This record gives sequence, C-alpha cells and structure tokens, in this order.
Amino acid sequence: GEDVEQSLFLSVREGDSSVINCTYTDSSSTYLYWYKQEPGAGLQLLTYIFSNMDMKQDQRLTVLLNKKDKHLSLRIADTQTGDSAIYFCAEDGAGSYQLTFGKGTKLSVIP
Amino acid sequence: GAVVSQHPSRVICKSGTSVKIECRSLDFQATTMFWYRQFPKKSLMLMATSNEGSKATYEQGVEKDKFLINHASLTLSTLTVTSAHPEDSSFYICSARDGTSDNEQFFGPGTRLTVL
Repeated sequence: GEDVEQSLFLSVREGDSSVINCTYTDSSSTYLYWYKQEPGAGLQLLTYIFSNMDMKQDQRLTVLLNKKDKHLSLRIADTQTGDSAIYFCAEDGAGSYQLTFGKGTKLSVIP
Repeated sequence: GAVVSQHPSRVICKSGTSVKIECRSLDFQATTMFWYRQFPKKSLMLMATSNEGSKATYEQGVEKDKFLINHASLTLSTLTVTSAHPEDSSFYICSARDGTSDNEQFFGPGTRLTVL
C-alpha cells in the first residue's frame, strides 16, 4: 500500500522556525495535508496544498511541495510553546478522500 | 469550520462486552464519514468509510463483524466494537465531509476506549 513517512521528533527553541518533513509514495495524490493534534485531542486541519502547487503560505505556516521527490514540508515561523503538538502529514490517493497518514512528528518547543 | 462531535469521549468496558461510539456532524450534513484508529506511536489507520444509507466499506484487515458501522442519517454514524478485547483498546477518531467542500475532512475529538 501507499506509505507516508515522517521523523518522529523535533525540538526547537521558542521563537525559532520549525520545519517538519514528510515523504510519500503515492504519485496520484491530489491534496496533501497537515494536521495538528494537541495532547488528548483529536485532529485539527492546519493547512493543505493542491498537488500542482509547490508552495502555500498561511500566516506563520509555509507548506513546500516537491512533487518530483514526493517531499512535503511544513515550516512554522516564530514557533511558540502553544505549537507543541504532534503534526501529521497525510495524502489522499487520487482525491479519494481516504487519507493515509504519517506516524506524526512530535514537536517540542523549549521556552 | 464545521463541527464534528463524538460520544463518549472516554469509555472503559469489560472484556466481552460491546461498545457503541457515536459520531455526529453538528452543523452540516455529512455524506461520507470515516472511522480511524490511532495506535500508540503509529499512524492513524483508516478502518472504514461509510456513506449515508449504504453499507460501509472496510479496509483490508478490519473485521466488519467486529467493528459494526452504521450511517443511518446525514448527521450520525456509529461504530460498535462487538465483544471487545483488551487489544481493541485504542483511540478511535471519526471524520466527516459534507460533499460540498472538495478537500476537507472535519475530525471529531476522538474516543478513548479501554477494555479491561
């Protein structure tokens, strides 16, 4: 089956930028997503990018997509302690809406 | 954004009993609902897709007789874990899409199931 890979942990200092990386195998993905999960909570859609775009910016969030390398990244500028959470990368197989998730990257922000 | 609720948020049950988890779309009609299971240190795994008024489509390896899914209305889907065992203990998350948004799934807060 299709696969989505992420590093499991990332630690940054408050005020620095965080970059969370993700690779995927499904070349037919239509949309790629970033979700945030705070402790004890469900998932919150942070942002998404259409597969024919290579960049999307939304306030402190910047998504970069390299479709050739099947690499997706999420950059959080001026990282705050409230950004501490697990971040999941996900893709939809050819727009099927059935998402395949990575294992999640736990972001720890050091004050 | 649209709101999806789940009930209960936590449930503890004895081995061998059945547990029902509800997923509701509060301010939109969900033509499709998804059920995911979250394993510790692992990905969210899609269990099944349900469309209102039709049988759910289960992912490979998911026992349909054990995880009964009913999507009886456009705002409610239920997941029943039958004859629960300790290995069924997990975090179950539902999501819903309204058929008008072409990309977004709205996720519920999840249900923590503990089987003793």
